[in-house]
Amino acid sequence: AQKVTQAQTEISVVEKEDVTLDCVYETRDTTYYLFWYKQPPSGELVFLIRRNSFDEQNEISGRYSWNFQKSTSSFNFTITASQVVDSAVYFCALSEASGYGGSQGNLIFGKGTKLSVKP
Amino acid sequence: DTGVSQNPRHKITKRGQNVTFRCDPISEHNRLYWYRQTLGQGPEFLTYFQNEAQLEKSRLLSDRFSAERPKGSFSTLEIQRTEQGDSAMYLCASSLTSGGGYTDTQYFGPGTRLTVL
Repeated sequence: AQKVTQAQTEISVVEKEDVTLDCVYETRDTTYYLFWYKQPPSGELVFLIRRNSFDEQNEISGRYSWNFQKSTSSFNFTITASQVVDSAVYFCALSEASGYGGSQGNLIFGKGTKLSVKP
Repeated sequence: DTGVSQNPRHKITKRGQNVTFRCDPISEHNRLYWYRQTLGQGPEFLTYFQNEAQLEKSRLLSDRFSAERPKGSFSTLEIQRTEQGDSAMYLCASSLTSGGGYTDTQYFGPGTRLTVL
């Protein structure tokens, strides 16, 4: 069965602190995809990153970085020097790839981590 | 590229009424997905279309729910005889699938928030 666990329900930090959001996933497939989305108070899910199971290289994009470790089934997200605008709910998601046509479409989401960055 | 749009943004209805939501995907995207998100939870998959064909439905999609995507463009999600448990945010997403085992990124719309009184 596929499952995504985000154990941290809420995190509160002060501006300029670094913060790491944890994501642990379960899947039986050898080919799968992992995602992070941001949901600000406006409600729209904003895509941040996609990573396939064959690419374990860490990625950095500005203040954002992602650490993918297959050995521990984790795909953690770090925000460096957090800002008030980073306040949002962050979701980790999993999609399995199967058969012709790629993924069947199911994104399996975790319950999200609410990040509050205070000035 | 204007992104995924959804209408209405908010809908308040009385129990037992029917409601219909519309989603307009990114214009060249061939896949369209519907998700439901309740308070404090992540989105849950309901169904998806590739072009006009509805290829998968979640067990969450009861008989009171029906989705269509005529001509492979916009999609509608209808809920008949609404119940209070249907209150949620209904999210639409689209992606461009090229096939061959490659998973494309889904881009989400702003959602329709349904309140059933």
